Amino acid sequence: GESVGLHLPTLSVQEGDNSIINCAYSNSASDYFIWYKQESGKGPQFIIDIRSNMDKRQGQRVTVLLNKTVKHLSLQIAATQPGDSAVYFCAENGIEQAGTALIFGKGTTLSVSS
Amino acid sequence: EAGVAQSPRYKIIEKRQSVAFWCNPISGHATLYWYQQILGQGPKLLIQFQNNGVVDDSQLPKDRFSAERLKGVDSTLKIQPAKLEDSAVYLCASSLGTGTFGELFFGEGSRLTVL
Repeated sequence: GESVGLHLPTLSVQEGDNSIINCAYSNSASDYFIWYKQESGKGPQFIIDIRSNMDKRQGQRVTVLLNKTVKHLSLQIAATQPGDSAVYFCAENGIEQAGTALIFGKGTTLSVSS
Repeated sequence: EAGVAQSPRYKIIEKRQSVAFWCNPISGHATLYWYQQILGQGPKLLIQFQNNGVVDDSQLPKDRFSAERLKGVDSTLKIQPAKLEDSAVYLCASSLGTGTFGELFFGEGSRLTVL
């Protein structure tokens, strides 16, 4: 089964609002996490990553929060824009596997209305 | 810098036929991955190469799927014979290093429809 999952399959927000997308992971030994954005017909695109020795990391309009106690990851998007509409995946490094491959959750579809 | 290139973008075949997908990773990237993404789901790893060696193929259905990465650069993924449940987007990704941290760069994917 999936070791990384998301709480909600869909999220609808108004343009300009802040969005929060959540993810729960099951492998407490995972030490690296990434958020990807996937637009229709395209491959996943990197948004932001975080290592397990951090609990917060900020990028341009995005913030990732990591709570290792409850194995929870979230992506915050400030001032959401229509161009942010896409499917968002969290992923963790599969340390039980040999190598550096990522394990992906099922995704949350973000819809932004103007 | 050129991204990960994949072809064909779309392929429609009958069940029991064969199909092959090609991937050219970002220049200099040592690690190459093939993922399968079924509609509505997240990508699932099929196989990972480091240079021209296989690192992980534990989730590759080896009775019908095969992949190779000759000379440690381009890679091909083959399905023979195809089943209806193989309908999916096949994503190729590459990464620079071989450590446990690092971004994977994805191609646009090859969408397979099996009728």
